[in-house]
Amino acid sequence: QSALAQPASVSGSPGQSITISCTVLPSYTGNYGLVSWYQQYPGGVPRLILFEGNKRPTGVSTRFSGSQSGTTVSLTISGLQADDEADYYCCAYAGSSTYVFGSGTKVTVL
Amino acid sequence: QVQMVQSGAEMRKPGASVKVSCKTSGYNFILHGVVWVRQAPGQGLEWLGWVSAATGNTKYGEKFQGRVVLTTDKSTRTAYMDLRSLTSDDTAVYYCAREDRGYGDYVDWGQGTLVSVSS
Repeated sequence: QSALAQPASVSGSPGQSITISCTVLPSYTGNYGLVSWYQQYPGGVPRLILFEGNKRPTGVSTRFSGSQSGTTVSLTISGLQADDEADYYCCAYAGSSTYVFGSGTKVTVL
Repeated sequence: QVQMVQSGAEMRKPGASVKVSCKTSGYNFILHGVVWVRQAPGQGLEWLGWVSAATGNTKYGEKFQGRVVLTTDKSTRTAYMDLRSLTSDDTAVYYCAREDRGYGDYVDWGQGTLVSVSS
């Protein structure tokens, strides 16, 4: 399966809100509700920040939220902070109990 | 607390195989699946496959079908990833992760194992 399409980079100023989109490719036939999001700092291990579209694991800030519109699922980071600067990946169910990651988005805090 | 401790870095020549281990602790091993994800240098995350710790059932990403084998050993609470017919494109950090509820929610991750393939 090809990676799900994400913008290569998104930037914002501290305090602003930003949205990262994850667009399903034409050949994708998975369940849009089974989407998770991961944060990864340079040289670090991925960290789960949202699952099942809009659920946060214990300890994850409420500033992270998820939504869906048509074939696009999105991660919104509100009240942008310096330590939000990282790479973000969506991960979606691709059928037959398999999953596929998005291409990744680098978030820069200006 | 949950720990996923992976084996050390490996170097292989093209055409060879590599087996990476992931020793777990801190949770009921058979209640959760283990996934394997890789990341080539400067690239994004790539889903390799999933193995049920309870039954040994596996699911593999299309790209890796026939080339990767995932297994577990309940007695040692260890998961294994065996990748064959290596090429330089397989040079990457390989991660294991514990699936929590079974819906792509990978909560706990190993530290990663660098596999380098070069002639």
